Amino acid sequence: GAVVSQHPSWVICKSGTSVKIECRSLDFQATTMFWYRQFPKQSLMLMATSNEGSKATYEQGVEKDKFLINHASLTLSTLTVTSAHPEDSSFYICSALSFYSGNTIYFGEGSWLTVV
Amino acid sequence: DQQVKQNSPSLSVQEGRISILNCDYTNSMFDYFLWYKKYPAEGPTFLISISSIKDKNEDGRFTVFLNKSAKHLSLHIVPSQPGDSAVYFCAASDQGAQKLVFGQGTRLTINP
Repeated sequence: GAVVSQHPSWVICKSGTSVKIECRSLDFQATTMFWYRQFPKQSLMLMATSNEGSKATYEQGVEKDKFLINHASLTLSTLTVTSAHPEDSSFYICSALSFYSGNTIYFGEGSWLTVV
Repeated sequence: DQQVKQNSPSLSVQEGRISILNCDYTNSMFDYFLWYKKYPAEGPTFLISISSIKDKNEDGRFTVFLNKSAKHLSLHIVPSQPGDSAVYFCAASDQGAQKLVFGQGTRLTINP
């Protein structure tokens, strides 16, 4: 079964609104979580690295004020897409690093965001 | 700057034959390589990995080969099965950074 869960799996929102995606590690504590974005027929692109209790580290070209990442606990990280626009429509995937499993990275199931 | 490249966007193989997926990388700091399988609208699932201290790792039908001098790795699936049809991503990391850099993916189709 899944060890990293994302919610929601699918979300449709109106342009200009904000949407939050949750990423939970189900049976382990994840000090580090990663957020990726995948556009159709393209690779998974790392957006940011999230460490529990500290600010996320964003990759070049990713707007930190638009993609708010919170990692308030060892089992939950959230990605909020603020003032979403149609070009933000994408597949967002999180992953969590399990230190106790030899630094194994587990991926969530992904969340489809469609902005209309 | 694409540090990890999968130059074949798609591959079609007959059931029972060998599937070979290729991946090239440019960053010599990468020391850990992984292959993931992905179905549409799902997150990637881990298949197999290899450390740079090895040149081969085998797990059942899956074998990954690493050629460090050529900065090339490949995934062999034998025998190929219809359930293997998916998009395969190779990924690389500098373990100190723990971040994964993904290739563009190769869509593998296994024909009955």
